[in-house]
Amino acid sequence: GAVVSQHPSWVICKSGTSVKIECRSLDFQATTMFWYRQFPKQSLMLMATSNEGSKATYEQGVEKDKFLINHASLTLSTLTVTSAHPEDSSFYICSASPDSGGHSSYNEQFFGPGTRLTVL
Amino acid sequence: GNSVTQMEGPVTLSEEAFLTINCTYTATGYPSLFWYVQYPGEGLQLLLKATKADDKGSNKGFEATYRKETTSFHLEKGSVQVSDSAVYFCALSDRGNTPLVFGKGTRLSVIA
Repeated sequence: GAVVSQHPSWVICKSGTSVKIECRSLDFQATTMFWYRQFPKQSLMLMATSNEGSKATYEQGVEKDKFLINHASLTLSTLTVTSAHPEDSSFYICSASPDSGGHSSYNEQFFGPGTRLTVL
Repeated sequence: GNSVTQMEGPVTLSEEAFLTINCTYTATGYPSLFWYVQYPGEGLQLLLKATKADDKGSNKGFEATYRKETTSFHLEKGSVQVSDSAVYFCALSDRGNTPLVFGKGTRLSVIA
């Protein structure tokens, strides 16, 4: 099956620093990737839709200047948490659907293993 | 808008017990439906899926049937194991390359 990787799997940083998280589709191309955030014992909340070659679309309430998304290629999207603070500590998960040329009605998404961010 | 409602947890069962986790949805059109499982400290794994009404998804002894008339996609397993302890998420997607809409998740604990 399709594989999505994330790097790093966990990171601990000091308050005020920036952290970059990478999401890669290893064996398929994905024009669109999604970034989710998950607080402990809660569901996934969509943060933004990452589009290759264009600006990301952010969900209401998500600060685009704080969570910078770059979709550099058809297999890589990055999320940078700028000037991180303890309240940004969370589990960040990306997902992607293989490009289907618009002909497939099958909507499966493949998830990365997640990145646990702890801001001290 | 689209939404997914699943039963609140946590659910605690003895090994070999029967499992049902209810999931209902609201959507325009004909969404695809999914169950994902998340083991402690890990990301989400697709457990099973159904893309049209009356489809039954099944995997690892789990199954769920897409019921359009009741807008439901309940997860069932006849005999749970300790290794099934995890959080289960019901989700829908109404077309390709759109984000999934998740339920709140149901934590299952199976005790020996």
